[in-house]
Amino acid sequence: DVKVTQSSRYLVKRTGEKVFLECVQDMDHENMFWYRQDPGLGLRLIYFSYDVKMKEKGDIPEGYSVSREKKERFSLILESASTNQTSMYLCASIQGAGANVLTFGAGSRLTVL
Amino acid sequence: GENVEQHPSTLSVQEGDSAVIKCTYSDSASNYFPWYKQELGKRPQLIIDIRSNVGEKKDQRIAVTLNKTAKHFSLHITETQPEDSAVYFCAASASGGSNYKLTFGKGTLLTVNP
Repeated sequence: DVKVTQSSRYLVKRTGEKVFLECVQDMDHENMFWYRQDPGLGLRLIYFSYDVKMKEKGDIPEGYSVSREKKERFSLILESASTNQTSMYLCASIQGAGANVLTFGAGSRLTVL
Repeated sequence: GENVEQHPSTLSVQEGDSAVIKCTYSDSASNYFPWYKQELGKRPQLIIDIRSNVGEKKDQRIAVTLNKTAKHFSLHITETQPEDSAVYFCAASASGGSNYKLTFGKGTLLTVNP
C-alpha cells in the first residue's frame, strides 16, 4: 500500500509564527498536493507539484508557499501564521501517467492562536 | 478554472433506503470524475470513479452516472447501511500531461439511521 505520512497530526502555533507542515510518500509518486479542509467548504487545493522543484498554485495559495526538494517530500509553509489559517491540512499524492487515484495522508490539524 | 457544485450538503436516510448525491461541473474539458468517502476522523478514500467515455459504472451497492451534455454526475447508494454514514466528496479533473489537479465539491454528510 502507498503510504503518505504527515509528520504532525496536531499543531498549535501563535499568530505570526512560521509553520512547516511536512509530507512524505513512499511510492515514488510524481504528483503531490496540499489541500485544506474546512467544514462546509470541502477540500480546497492550496498548491501542487508534478516534479521535483516544480510547483503550481491551486485555488487558495495566498499566505502559503511550498517546497519540493526531493521527490518523496512536499512541504507546506505558512510564512506568518494567521488565525484564519486554523484548519485541517491534507497532503496527497498520485503516481501520474494516467493514474488519478489520490492517496491522502492522515491530516495535520493546525490551530493558530 | 473548474467549479464543482455538490448537493445536498446533508442527507439523512433510513437503513435500507437509497441515497443519491448530485454534482455539476463547469469545465467541458473535465474527463475524470471520482467520488471519495471520508469517515469521521479518517482520511478520504476513493470509492468509485468514472471517465467521460462511460455513462454509468456500478460496484456492488454503489453506482455513478455521468451526463456529459448536462455536465452533471451522480452517486447512487442502494440498500444503505449504517457504515455508509460519512462525508462524500465528488471531484472533477481534466487529466493529461502534467495536470492531475482534482477540484472537489463541498461534500455531503450522509447519515444512515438504523
